[in-house]
Amino acid sequence: DAGVIQSPRHEVTEMGQEVTLRCKPISGHDYLFWYRQTMMRGLELLIYFNNNVPIDDSGMPEDRFSAKMPNASFSTLKIQPSEPRDSAVYFCASSPQGNGYTFGSGTRLTVV
Amino acid sequence: EDQVTQSPEALRLQEGESSSLNCSYTVSGLRGLFWYRQDPGKGPEFLFTLYSAGEEKEKERLKATLTKKESFLHITAPKPEDSATYLCAVQGGGRRALTFGSGTRLQVQP
Repeated sequence: DAGVIQSPRHEVTEMGQEVTLRCKPISGHDYLFWYRQTMMRGLELLIYFNNNVPIDDSGMPEDRFSAKMPNASFSTLKIQPSEPRDSAVYFCASSPQGNGYTFGSGTRLTVV
Repeated sequence: EDQVTQSPEALRLQEGESSSLNCSYTVSGLRGLFWYRQDPGKGPEFLFTLYSAGEEKEKERLKATLTKKESFLHITAPKPEDSATYLCAVQGGGRRALTFGSGTRLQVQP
């Protein structure tokens, strides 16, 4: 089992550009979560899916953020346009039946 | 709204010096309390899940306990490789998402 796979590991982009983060959950896990981690705010939930359907997107900061899960093995988090305050580490996690998350290694996003 | 507060923010121990980390929480209908370990540049790694007051779980030098208001992570005779940030999280009610505390940064010196 390769675990939760995120790409890219690092992303540096200019303000105003579109950024797409990718996640492949563990096969058989029916829940997928996107979190953001910063020094100031710690780990914050952005959105989560159950069986590819968004369940709670109340943590998505604003309309610049969007997430999709077109199938059980792939999810994306898109930021358009990006801003410097979006700089953070973005984690994807998956879970069987909502219990016991497994996190990916994260994507470190820097917006300059 | 679920809330998790961890203390201390940082802890420095000598190798072999036992101590405890605290996690205070408020949640509507606790489904589970989780402990994770996070190393620099990596994602959180699952340690324990506790479901009800009085429950205890152990793994090597770590022992987690749970009351109705807080959880403790006891570290017995720590080694330098135990240095990491330890995160506590709660899952409440019908919600599957976890609410995390800000973590305790543990440094164990040889």
